[in-house]
Amino acid sequence: DIVVTQSPAILSVSPGERVTLSCRTSESVAGAFAWYQKKSGQAPRLLIYGAFTRAPGIPARFSGSGSGTEFTLTITSLQSEDVAVYYCQQYSYWPPWTFGQGTKVEIK
Amino acid sequence: QVELMQSGGGVVQPGRSLRLSCAASGFSFRSYGMHWVRQAPGKGLEWVAGTFYDGSYKYYADSVKGRFTISRDNSKNTLFLQMNSLRAEDTAMYYCARDDQEMRNWLGFFDYWGQGTLVTVSS
Repeated sequence: DIVVTQSPAILSVSPGERVTLSCRTSESVAGAFAWYQKKSGQAPRLLIYGAFTRAPGIPARFSGSGSGTEFTLTITSLQSEDVAVYYCQQYSYWPPWTFGQGTKVEIK
Repeated sequence: QVELMQSGGGVVQPGRSLRLSCAASGFSFRSYGMHWVRQAPGKGLEWVAGTFYDGSYKYYADSVKGRFTISRDNSKNTLFLQMNSLRAEDTAMYYCARDDQEMRNWLGFFDYWGQGTLVTVSS
């Protein structure tokens, strides 16, 4: 199974600041990589697929980069509504589809 | 718009069974792969099961293999998860999710999600 390691576990950031979340996979998954946002009490929402393509309706402040085994999600200017847990996922080698452990983004 | 409406959760004793349903609307259900994903209390997301658009292939996480069965009724636009021999560690919020791949013999990422249904396994 592909192991997806996400860091950091928690990020505390001031509004308007830049946020960078990282994921690493145990083997190369090329660009078969996605990011999801999960707010408390809500279903997960797709943010990024193909490592860097924003899903429909996702604000431009969210961007994805990387390939192979290293991936990054960047929020250029954190808004209060961005408070959530963010999960990364590989979909290159399945089953199983594997997620990272999540990064909780808080407002400082 | 795409909607996935879930039902069937609840409290069940260990060793018993439960069936979850996911009713789809707003898209051609018969054309898309589908999945179940769960989140145990205080934990992260865990993929549980997935199936091709036509139900020809089904895949399971090792943690549920032999106990859970994913199925679909394309005539009723509904996805199911039959959960047998339930254990305390199966306690979680369960989500159905649509795969992004349309009419393909492979599966990808999850582009739309249901609202979730809570399953609690407790005596």
